[in-house]
Amino acid sequence: AQRVTQPEKLLSVFKGAPVELKCNYSYSGSPELFWYVQYSRQRLQLLLRHISRESIKGFTADLNKGETSFHLKKPFAQEEDSAMYYCALKGRGGGNKLTFGTGTQLKVEL
Amino acid sequence: GAVVSQHPSRVICKSGTSVKIECRSLDFQATTMFWYRQFPKQSLMLMATSNEGSKATYEQGVEKDKFLINHASLTLSTLTVTSAHPEDSSFYICSARDQTNEQFFGPGTRLTVL
Repeated sequence: AQRVTQPEKLLSVFKGAPVELKCNYSYSGSPELFWYVQYSRQRLQLLLRHISRESIKGFTADLNKGETSFHLKKPFAQEEDSAMYYCALKGRGGGNKLTFGTGTQLKVEL
Repeated sequence: GAVVSQHPSRVICKSGTSVKIECRSLDFQATTMFWYRQFPKQSLMLMATSNEGSKATYEQGVEKDKFLINHASLTLSTLTVTSAHPEDSSFYICSARDQTNEQFFGPGTRLTVL
């Protein structure tokens, strides 16, 4: 079974402060990990994926297989980063299904 | 990027009636679409995988006779909630997978069953 855990429902930081949204996963194999973002009144959209190893909007995430984690980080939070963030896992095979975490609401305060 | 639409965006119906929700990929063909359900302040739960030209694959615990899925073309999948009851009230979201294997999500449909 595949499972994604996001321990924080809400994370509130001040503008300019570092951000770390935690994500841990459980999967007996080699997964693909993703971060999706949902801005207010907008649809879910892909933010980044671990295989791309890229930085999007200043966000990065490194897959740590030893700790089974895929935390999302940004050194300096911006007000426009306020949104709901979902970590998701896609197992190999099995129809490429995505399993989502429960999400973390990021609130960046001025 | 690719766009996925859903119709209607919001629907209110009486208990016992059936409701159809459409999911369309507007500028790409999608052999696979997915249907999710989201309860308030909770995560997206995959209900079923919709495959063009074949039967949908339902997740454990999802009643296939209750939630009918039809994927008749490469750009359209429909979810019909049959004999809806208040406990079916939820936010239903579809996604479509393109040839690069990326999933694009629709804006969701808010179903309220009275």
